[in-house]
Amino acid sequence: QVQLQESGPGLVKSSETLSLTCTVSGRSLTSGSYYWSWIRQPPGKALEVIGYIYYTGSTNYNPSMKSRVTISLDTSKNQISLKVRSVTAADTAVYSCARGVVTAAFDIWGQGTMVTVSS
Amino acid sequence: EIVMTQSPVTLSVSPGERATLSCRASQSVSSDLAWYQQRPGQAPRLLIYGASIRATGVPAKFSGSGSGTEFTLTISSLQSEDFALYYCQQYNNWPYIFGLGTKLEIK
Repeated sequence: QVQLQESGPGLVKSSETLSLTCTVSGRSLTSGSYYWSWIRQPPGKALEVIGYIYYTGSTNYNPSMKSRVTISLDTSKNQISLKVRSVTAADTAVYSCARGVVTAAFDIWGQGTMVTVSS
Repeated sequence: EIVMTQSPVTLSVSPGERATLSCRASQSVSSDLAWYQQRPGQAPRLLIYGASIRATGVPAKFSGSGSGTEFTLTISSLQSEDFALYYCQQYNNWPYIFGLGTKLEIK
């Protein structure tokens, strides 16, 4: 079955770039009409969809983070990456990748990885 | 940006009984509404999409209803594994928004 696994540093310094990778197993990223998403949840706050990349490579970002975020595909490794630039303490959160289905929301999620931004 | 409001924040119900959770959208999201269950230390699990369609493998004890701005998740015959956090999420308008969640706890 399809599984998603996030990886990356758990600690990032303020003003630097947060970089995470989501490895997809069990299915090719380019097979099927899915949108591969990054979602985060700061401590005590709501889940927030950061953005997604469609299997075609087109992207859509949450306006709240659009100026600082890049999501990309590496089809050779079957991975999705997330970069958030100029991080602050407000970017401290559990970051998860998830598979989106156009008519069915997010049907498969990774376990999530905690990222702390330190000063 | 659409605001999703879930109520109550915490719901205390006895095992074997039924729980009813509510979700309200600040504007119509048609039927583009999903419900998720999250147990401690686990990723969210999709329960319902399209407001009322159970996701693959989700038992019939979970049912969703509503359209437009008012939605309900009903869980019947509560068992220990059902006591968890439940989130609603709209995917009609970008950015997709989650509610803050309802914690279903054992009474």
